[in-house]
Amino acid sequence: EVQLLESGGDLVQPGGSLRLSCAASGFIFSTYAMSWVRHAPGKGLKWVSAISASGDDTYYADSVKGRFIISRDNSRNTLYLQMNSLRDEDTAIYYCAPGKIFDYWGQGTLVTVSS
Amino acid sequence: DIVLTQSPVILSLSPGERATLSCRASQSISNYLAWYLHKPGQAPRLLIYDASNRATGIPARFSGSGSGTDFTLTISALEPEDFAVYYCQQRSHWPLTFGGGTKVEIK
Repeated sequence: EVQLLESGGDLVQPGGSLRLSCAASGFIFSTYAMSWVRHAPGKGLKWVSAISASGDDTYYADSVKGRFIISRDNSRNTLYLQMNSLRDEDTAIYYCAPGKIFDYWGQGTLVTVSS
Repeated sequence: DIVLTQSPVILSLSPGERATLSCRASQSISNYLAWYLHKPGQAPRLLIYDASNRATGIPARFSGSGSGTDFTLTISALEPEDFAVYYCQQRSHWPLTFGGGTKVEIK
């Protein structure tokens, strides 16, 4: 059974940093690209970032480019999202998902950016 | 970036009625389109991938069609659990993008 467990969400002030983690199990993590997708309150779903299976290639939405860094540790089956220079508009539930078609989702982790 | 435009924004229907949702891409994405259902407080759920393939466990009342720039999700007869927000998503080009969503509400 595929399981994705996101963690690291918290209340942080604008300009602050946060690191999200996603612990994966039930599939061969090292063979799948991974993505972060977020859902802001009252807004639609938004893809945030993705990383190739090897970790060599990374992709970002324009709104987070230069502020967020995606990485992975295939030995630990864990995906990360380092979030810097956080803004109010980054407030959202953040989900991790394998692949480019998102048939498995975790429960998400809530990031609140507010002073 | 590929922009996905969903219409209508809100669809008001009664249980048992047919729902037709549209997703239009700003450029051709072949058939690399997926549809998701999203209910408040829950993770999104994949319904259709590659425009017309039902995901595992998805009832036959959900069907998808289209290619290139125009896509349709059809729910043949709405069940009470189908009232939610629906999103389309393309995987043809980076960055991946979602449409703005269509809310299917009870009339």
